[in-house]
Amino acid sequence: KNEVEQSPQNLTAQEGEFITINCSYSVGISALHWLQQHPGGGIVSLFMLSSGKKKHGRLIATINIQEKHSSLHITASHPRDSAVYICAPVFSGTYKYIFGTGTRLKVLA
Amino acid sequence: DTAVSQTPKYLVTQMGNDKSIKCEQNLGHDTMYWYKQDSKKFLKIMFSYNNKELIINETVPNRFSPKSPDKAHLNLHINSLELGDSAVYFCASSQDGSSTDTQYFGPGTRLTVL
Repeated sequence: KNEVEQSPQNLTAQEGEFITINCSYSVGISALHWLQQHPGGGIVSLFMLSSGKKKHGRLIATINIQEKHSSLHITASHPRDSAVYICAPVFSGTYKYIFGTGTRLKVLA
Repeated sequence: DTAVSQTPKYLVTQMGNDKSIKCEQNLGHDTMYWYKQDSKKFLKIMFSYNNKELIINETVPNRFSPKSPDKAHLNLHINSLELGDSAVYFCASSQDGSSTDTQYFGPGTRLTVL
Protein backbone atom coordinates (compact mmCIF):
# COMPACT_ATOMS: atom_id res chain seq x y z
CA LYS A 1 0.00 0.00 0.00
CA ASN A 2 1.38 3.42 -0.94
CA GLU A 3 2.05 5.76 1.93
CA VAL A 4 0.45 8.58 -0.06
CA GLU A 5 -2.70 8.08 -2.11
CA GLN A 6 -4.12 10.59 -4.52
CA SER A 7 -7.49 10.57 -6.21
CA PRO A 8 -8.55 10.71 -8.88
CA GLN A 9 -5.57 9.52 -10.92
CA ASN A 10 -6.95 11.14 -14.06
CA LEU A 11 -9.48 13.91 -14.42
CA THR A 12 -10.97 15.59 -17.46
CA ALA A 13 -13.04 18.70 -16.92
CA GLN A 14 -14.72 21.38 -18.98
CA GLU A 15 -13.45 24.92 -18.74
CA GLY A 16 -15.05 26.72 -15.83
CA GLU A 17 -15.65 23.64 -13.69
CA PHE A 18 -14.70 23.42 -10.04
CA ILE A 19 -11.95 20.81 -9.56
CA THR A 20 -11.07 18.85 -6.42
CA ILE A 21 -8.02 16.64 -6.04
CA ASN A 22 -7.61 14.58 -2.89
CA CYS A 23 -4.57 13.33 -1.02
CA SER A 24 -4.52 10.87 1.89
CA TYR A 25 -1.49 9.74 3.81
CA SER A 26 -0.87 7.08 6.40
CA VAL A 27 1.32 8.56 9.15
CA GLY A 28 1.87 11.83 11.01
CA ILE A 29 3.33 14.69 9.03
CA SER A 30 5.01 18.00 9.78
CA ALA A 31 3.97 19.65 6.50
CA LEU A 32 2.40 18.89 3.15
CA HIS A 33 3.29 20.39 -0.21
CA TRP A 34 1.30 20.56 -3.42
CA LEU A 35 3.28 20.64 -6.65
CA GLN A 36 2.31 21.16 -10.26
CA GLN A 37 4.14 19.45 -13.11
CA HIS A 38 3.56 21.11 -16.46
CA PRO A 39 3.10 19.09 -19.66
CA GLY A 40 6.64 20.14 -20.61
CA GLY A 41 7.96 18.50 -17.43
CA GLY A 42 8.76 21.51 -15.24
CA ILE A 43 7.79 21.26 -11.56
CA VAL A 44 6.66 24.20 -9.44
CA SER A 45 5.62 24.37 -5.85
CA LEU A 46 2.06 25.62 -5.31
CA PHE A 47 1.48 25.44 -1.55
CA MET A 48 3.01 24.42 1.74
CA LEU A 49 0.47 23.53 4.43
CA SER A 50 0.91 22.57 8.03
CA SER A 51 -2.68 23.34 9.05
CA GLY A 52 -5.88 24.93 7.83
CA LYS A 53 -6.27 26.45 4.42
CA LYS A 54 -4.35 28.56 1.91
CA LYS A 55 -5.53 30.40 -1.19
CA HIS A 56 -3.58 31.68 -4.15
CA GLY A 57 -5.61 33.07 -7.01
CA ARG A 58 -8.00 30.35 -8.18
CA LEU A 59 -6.22 27.66 -6.19
CA ILE A 60 -7.22 26.67 -2.67
CA ALA A 61 -5.50 24.02 -0.57
CA THR A 62 -6.84 22.58 2.67
CA ILE A 63 -5.53 20.08 5.16
CA ASN A 64 -7.10 18.10 7.99
CA ILE A 65 -4.26 16.82 10.13
CA GLN A 66 -6.48 14.55 12.28
CA GLU A 67 -7.99 12.85 9.25
CA LYS A 68 -4.64 12.73 7.42
CA HIS A 69 -6.17 14.29 4.33
CA SER A 70 -5.56 17.27 2.09
CA SER A 71 -7.44 18.65 -0.89
CA LEU A 72 -6.48 20.95 -3.73
CA HIS A 73 -9.31 22.89 -5.34
CA ILE A 74 -9.27 24.85 -8.58
CA THR A 75 -12.10 27.29 -9.13
CA ALA A 76 -13.16 28.36 -12.64
CA SER A 77 -10.75 25.90 -14.25
CA HIS A 78 -8.98 26.87 -17.44
CA PRO A 79 -7.14 24.84 -20.10
CA ARG A 80 -3.85 26.29 -18.83
CA ASP A 81 -4.49 24.44 -15.54
CA SER A 82 -3.91 21.17 -17.42
CA ALA A 83 -1.00 19.52 -15.64
CA VAL A 84 -0.14 16.79 -13.17
CA TYR A 85 -0.76 17.79 -9.55
CA ILE A 86 1.35 16.04 -6.96
CA CYS A 87 0.84 15.86 -3.22
CA ALA A 88 4.04 15.58 -1.15
CA PRO A 89 3.73 15.22 2.60
CA VAL A 90 6.80 15.40 4.81
CA PHE A 91 6.53 12.66 7.40
CA SER A 92 7.24 13.68 11.00
CA GLY A 93 10.87 13.22 11.98
CA THR A 94 12.09 13.39 8.38
CA TYR A 95 12.99 16.20 6.03
CA LYS A 96 12.11 14.55 2.77
CA TYR A 97 9.10 14.78 0.52
CA ILE A 98 7.15 11.55 0.00
CA PHE A 99 5.38 11.97 -3.31
CA GLY A 100 1.91 10.88 -4.26
CA THR A 101 1.33 9.24 -7.60
CA GLY A 102 -0.06 12.45 -9.07
CA THR A 103 -3.38 13.45 -10.59
CA ARG A 104 -3.36 14.17 -14.30
CA LEU A 105 -5.79 16.99 -15.00
CA LYS A 106 -6.97 17.96 -18.45
CA VAL A 107 -9.23 20.97 -18.83
CA LEU A 108 -11.05 21.22 -22.15
CA ALA A 109 -11.97 24.54 -23.74
CA ASP B 1 18.13 34.38 -14.57
CA THR B 2 17.28 30.71 -14.03
CA ALA B 3 17.06 29.88 -10.33
CA VAL B 4 17.93 26.17 -10.57
CA SER B 5 19.65 25.01 -13.73
CA GLN B 6 20.67 21.56 -14.89
CA THR B 7 22.91 20.41 -17.70
CA PRO B 8 22.48 18.64 -19.95
CA LYS B 9 18.75 18.68 -20.63
CA TYR B 10 18.95 15.44 -22.58
CA LEU B 11 21.52 12.68 -22.28
CA VAL B 12 21.58 9.58 -24.47
CA THR B 13 24.30 7.04 -23.79
CA GLN B 14 25.23 3.39 -24.01
CA MET B 15 24.98 0.86 -21.20
CA GLY B 16 28.16 0.65 -19.18
CA ASN B 17 29.22 4.27 -19.71
CA ASP B 18 29.87 6.80 -16.95
CA LYS B 19 28.07 10.15 -17.09
CA SER B 20 27.50 13.25 -14.99
CA ILE B 21 24.61 15.66 -14.62
CA LYS B 22 25.34 19.12 -13.25
CA CYS B 23 23.09 21.29 -11.10
CA GLU B 24 23.53 24.88 -10.00
CA GLN B 25 21.29 27.18 -7.98
CA ASN B 26 21.65 30.94 -7.66
CA LEU B 27 19.11 31.38 -4.87
CA GLY B 28 21.62 31.32 -2.03
CA HIS B 29 19.96 28.18 -0.62
CA ASP B 30 21.75 25.85 1.76
CA THR B 31 20.05 22.59 0.74
CA MET B 32 20.02 20.78 -2.59
CA TYR B 33 18.35 17.57 -3.71
CA TRP B 34 18.35 15.00 -6.49
CA TYR B 35 15.13 13.24 -7.49
CA LYS B 36 14.43 10.48 -10.00
CA GLN B 37 11.18 10.35 -11.97
CA ASP B 38 10.60 6.98 -13.55
CA SER B 39 8.59 6.04 -16.63
CA LYS B 40 5.39 5.94 -14.57
CA LYS B 41 6.06 9.57 -13.58
CA PHE B 42 6.64 8.62 -9.95
CA LEU B 43 9.06 10.98 -8.17
CA LYS B 44 11.45 9.69 -5.54
CA ILE B 45 14.22 11.39 -3.60
CA MET B 46 17.75 10.12 -4.10
CA PHE B 47 20.03 12.49 -2.17
CA SER B 48 19.98 15.68 -0.18
CA TYR B 49 22.90 17.92 0.75
CA ASN B 50 22.92 20.74 3.27
CA ASN B 51 25.86 23.12 2.99
CA LYS B 52 27.92 20.54 1.12
CA GLU B 53 27.15 17.75 3.62
CA LEU B 54 25.10 14.69 2.80
CA ILE B 55 21.92 14.53 4.91
CA ILE B 56 19.66 12.16 2.97
CA ASN B 57 20.88 9.12 1.09
CA GLU B 58 18.05 6.87 -0.01
CA THR B 59 18.52 3.30 -1.14
CA VAL B 60 20.40 4.20 -4.27
CA PRO B 61 22.99 1.95 -5.93
CA ASN B 62 26.62 2.81 -5.23
CA ARG B 63 27.00 3.57 -8.90
CA PHE B 64 25.32 6.91 -8.14
CA SER B 65 27.57 9.41 -6.41
CA PRO B 66 26.60 12.99 -5.67
CA LYS B 67 29.30 15.63 -5.39
CA SER B 68 28.87 19.09 -3.91
CA PRO B 69 31.92 21.31 -4.54
CA ASP B 70 30.11 24.23 -2.90
CA LYS B 71 26.62 24.89 -1.63
CA ALA B 72 25.47 26.28 -4.99
CA HIS B 73 26.31 23.09 -6.88
CA LEU B 74 25.24 19.47 -6.56
CA ASN B 75 26.38 17.22 -9.36
CA LEU B 76 25.30 13.63 -9.94
CA HIS B 77 27.79 11.14 -11.29
CA ILE B 78 26.60 7.75 -12.49
CA ASN B 79 28.99 4.86 -13.15
CA SER B 80 28.33 1.80 -15.30
CA LEU B 81 24.97 2.96 -16.56
CA GLU B 82 22.18 0.38 -16.80
CA LEU B 83 18.96 0.32 -18.80
CA GLY B 84 16.96 0.86 -15.60
CA ASP B 85 18.69 4.16 -15.00
CA SER B 86 16.69 5.68 -17.85
CA ALA B 87 14.52 8.34 -16.23
CA VAL B 88 14.18 12.08 -15.76
CA TYR B 89 16.42 13.40 -13.00
CA PHE B 90 15.42 16.60 -11.21
CA CYS B 91 17.61 18.76 -9.06
CA ALA B 92 16.00 21.05 -6.47
CA SER B 93 17.03 23.46 -3.77
CA SER B 94 15.51 24.96 -0.63
CA GLN B 95 16.54 27.53 1.94
CA ASP B 96 17.51 25.24 4.83
CA GLY B 97 15.94 21.83 4.19
CA SER B 98 13.23 22.10 6.83
CA SER B 99 9.92 20.34 6.27
CA THR B 100 8.12 23.65 5.68
CA ASP B 101 10.64 24.86 3.12
CA THR B 102 9.52 25.40 -0.45
CA GLN B 103 11.66 23.51 -2.91
CA TYR B 104 12.60 25.01 -6.26
CA PHE B 105 13.07 22.50 -9.05
CA GLY B 106 15.37 22.49 -12.04
CA PRO B 107 14.01 21.72 -15.51
CA GLY B 108 15.06 18.07 -15.38
CA THR B 109 17.54 15.96 -17.32
CA ARG B 110 16.11 13.14 -19.42
CA LEU B 111 18.59 10.26 -19.37
CA THR B 112 18.17 7.49 -21.91
CA VAL B 113 20.41 4.43 -21.64
CA LEU B 114 20.55 2.26 -24.77
